[in-house]
Amino acid sequence: QQKVQQSPESLSVPEGGMASLNCTSSDRNFQYFWWYRQHSGEGPKALMSIFSDGDKKEGRFTAHLNKASLHVSLHIRDSQPSDSALYFCAASERGDSNNRIFFGDGTQLVVKP
Amino acid sequence: AQTIHQWPVAEIKAVGSPLSLGCTIKGKSSPNLYWYWQATGGTLQQLFYSITVGQVESVVQLNLSASRPKDDQFILSTEKLLLSHSGFYLCAWSLGTNSGNTLYFGEGSRLIVV
Repeated sequence: QQKVQQSPESLSVPEGGMASLNCTSSDRNFQYFWWYRQHSGEGPKALMSIFSDGDKKEGRFTAHLNKASLHVSLHIRDSQPSDSALYFCAASERGDSNNRIFFGDGTQLVVKP
Repeated sequence: AQTIHQWPVAEIKAVGSPLSLGCTIKGKSSPNLYWYWQATGGTLQQLFYSITVGQVESVVQLNLSASRPKDDQFILSTEKLLLSHSGFYLCAWSLGTNSGNTLYFGEGSRLIVV
């Protein structure tokens, strides 16, 4: 069973709209969570990290973490066509001796002008 | 500022032929280094990681090997390519701490095995 599950698989929003991406984990040992964004043909880039329960806001992006339910979300307000990309949720355990970081399957976001 | 460079950008190789992909990190000493594999539009699968020169740990067996000959260099290789090796190979670095490490990826090397 995959340790990090993302939904939806794909999402289309109009320019200026709100995009909401979700991520759940099956591993209660996960302590650290990230959102990465990958534009076509490029390497992924870290958007945000979130390690504590609650909201974390950076510009148009807000991440929310609930460790009790192992749920993390990403909300993008005022979406722009340049936000169109593949978004990954990632998680890792504290003190993992293998330095493993687990990625979800990704959500493909399309922002239509 | 730290930079990460991968080479080659893309390769088309025959089944059974050897492969070598490289990655160099500049501006950061003693980083953790990682190799990831990605099927087209798919998830990221961690292959190897290294916390120091000469030390490489395998996360998943895919008939590939990795080496870290210098502090700033990470090499991925195989002597015999399989069709299943096709995909996008990504090198990444992180700070040399134990937990909560953000990954910084290179631009990737696209491999097509025919």
